[in-house]
Amino acid sequence: NAGVTQTPKFQVLKTGQSMTLQCAQDMNHNSMYWYRQDPGMGLRLIYYSASEGTTDKGEVPNGYNVSRLNKREFSLRLESAAPSQTSVYFCASTPGQPNTGELFFGEGSRLTVL
Amino acid sequence: GNSVTQMEGPVTLSEEAFLTINCTYTATGYPSLFWYVQYPGEGLQLLLKATKADDKGSNKGFEATYRKETTSFHLEKGSVQVSDSAVYFCALYSSASKIIFGSGTRLSIRP
Repeated sequence: NAGVTQTPKFQVLKTGQSMTLQCAQDMNHNSMYWYRQDPGMGLRLIYYSASEGTTDKGEVPNGYNVSRLNKREFSLRLESAAPSQTSVYFCASTPGQPNTGELFFGEGSRLTVL
Repeated sequence: GNSVTQMEGPVTLSEEAFLTINCTYTATGYPSLFWYVQYPGEGLQLLLKATKADDKGSNKGFEATYRKETTSFHLEKGSVQVSDSAVYFCALYSSASKIIFGSGTRLSIRP
């Protein structure tokens, strides 16, 4: 069972470069999320998509954009990367209806911005 | 707003020791409470959950009881193993606040 798949797993960027993190889930879940994980700060929500065709800002959306391409895929784009965006990024999904709060996570994408 | 506070780590124990990781929350209404575990190099996975007051969640020898009177959901295990070394996250879900995570507690178990 693939579950939630993220690509790439590792990426190094220079300041000002752009990139897209890809996420796909094969569990027919309605809701998808992007989090960043930084030392001592737990997980912070960047953007989420409650259902196909909708996206909403989370706690730390500045510098990011998202696209819910279809029910399976939810991508996160950095248009002009900054060193402050060095982090581990996690995509997650949940059935959504009803929303029980139980998340299924991908393995993470480690991004370094120089 | 809703929030989750968990004990800071790192926590280092010897194998077979008793484990407690404290978690308290602030929330309106009746949230669901979770413990997630993150093993090295992996994403988070659900360890256990409780959806109402006095519920006890349990899995893999870990337990946590939803205490509304003390707004707590402490994680316990009677005898830890080296394989329990991981980062543990307490989390809260409500329809109003979505899912909120604590800052995580790193646990290391010595053989």
